[in-house]
Amino acid sequence: EVQLLESGGVLIQPGGSLRLSCAASGFTFSSYAMSWVRQAPGKGLDWVSTASVSAGSAYYADSVKGRFTISRDNSKNTLFLQMNSLRAEDTAVYYCAKHALVGAHRFDYWGQGTLVTVSS
Amino acid sequence: DIQMTQSPSSLSASVGDRVTITCRASQSISSYLNWYQQKPGKAPKLLIYAASSLQSGVPSRFSGSGSGTDFTLTISSLQPEDFAAYYCQQSYSTLLTFGPGTKVDIK
Repeated sequence: EVQLLESGGVLIQPGGSLRLSCAASGFTFSSYAMSWVRQAPGKGLDWVSTASVSAGSAYYADSVKGRFTISRDNSKNTLFLQMNSLRAEDTAVYYCAKHALVGAHRFDYWGQGTLVTVSS
Repeated sequence: DIQMTQSPSSLSASVGDRVTITCRASQSISSYLNWYQQKPGKAPKLLIYAASSLQSGVPSRFSGSGSGTDFTLTISSLQPEDFAAYYCQQSYSTLLTFGPGTKVDIK
């Protein structure tokens, strides 16, 4: 059974830094691209970033480029999101999501999400 | 970036109704269009991929169509468990984008 378990969400002040983790199990983690998708309270889904299979390629939404860094440790089946210079508008539930197939940028499994609140 | 729009933003329907949701892309995305269902407090669930392919385990009352810039999600006979939000997502570009969502609630 595929499982994705996010952690690291907290209440943090504007300008702060935070690292989210997503522990994966039930599939060959190193064979699939992985993404972070967020959802602000009461709002829609917002793609944040994608890490390729080897993390040799990473893609970011314009809203987080230069502030967030996605990475992965295939030996530990874990995806990360380093978030710097946090802003109030980064407040959201952050989901990690597994891509369905190599080269397919659709998400067939999602974690339960971790809440990041940026507020003074 | 490719912008996605959806209409309507919300709708009220009854059990048994046929429901259609529209999604439009700001440029042609061929058939690289996926649909998700999200219930309150839960993670999204993939329903349709590649515009018209039904994800494994999804009831056949859900169907998708379209290509290029215009797409539709149809629920042929709305069931109580279908009251939820629905999002389209383009996977044509590596810079992925979602539509703003359509909330389906009970009339």
